[in-house]
Amino acid sequence: SQQGEEDPQALSIQEGENATMNCSYKTSINNLQWYRQNSGRGLVHLILIRSNEREKHSGRLRVTLDTSKKSSSLLITASRAADTASYFCATALSSNTGKLIFGQGTTLQVKP
Amino acid sequence: DSGVTQTPKHLITATGQRVTLRCSPRSGDLSVYWYQQSLDQGLQFLIQYYNGEERAKGNILERFSAQQFPDLHSELNLSSLELGDSALYFCASSVATGGGGTEAFFGQGTRLTVV
Repeated sequence: SQQGEEDPQALSIQEGENATMNCSYKTSINNLQWYRQNSGRGLVHLILIRSNEREKHSGRLRVTLDTSKKSSSLLITASRAADTASYFCATALSSNTGKLIFGQGTTLQVKP
Repeated sequence: DSGVTQTPKHLITATGQRVTLRCSPRSGDLSVYWYQQSLDQGLQFLIQYYNGEERAKGNILERFSAQQFPDLHSELNLSSLELGDSALYFCASSVATGGGGTEAFFGQGTRLTVV
């Protein structure tokens, strides 16, 4: 079964608005990562947050991690049409392997 | 461009056949991972190799096998193919085994269609 569940499954916003996606997981993790996938193409790594970190920023991206609630959120500020893609959270359970368990993803549409 | 190369990009084959998917990792990356993406199962981890040895195994069917060669490229072999094996197969690579948290770089995938 999937480790992560993402919410919402789909999100449609206007350019310039912020987009927030949430991810919940079931077991303890070593780190949590967010990836973007453009329509049937390869996944692109966006950001990694370790289990002892609470918040991380990268450009217009802000990720939070709450290990007590086993949840994470990805915020994309000032969205652009080019941000239209599917976003996946992925958890790494162990430090001994880079194996990732992916959520089902959130499909984001940013309308110009 | 992630630096991970997968061939072929598309593959159409009949049920019962066997295919081989190939992956060249980023220069310097020792770990190679294989994932399967389908509409009903989402992205599933199949198997990981680190420097030629199997490191982790996921929901990989017995009909599937993989290996990593001394030059670090990897191949995923799928045999006795069934319609349900139709999916996107991704290869990813990372520098290390994953200790301390390592991002993975994904190839563009091989789209397998079994008819």
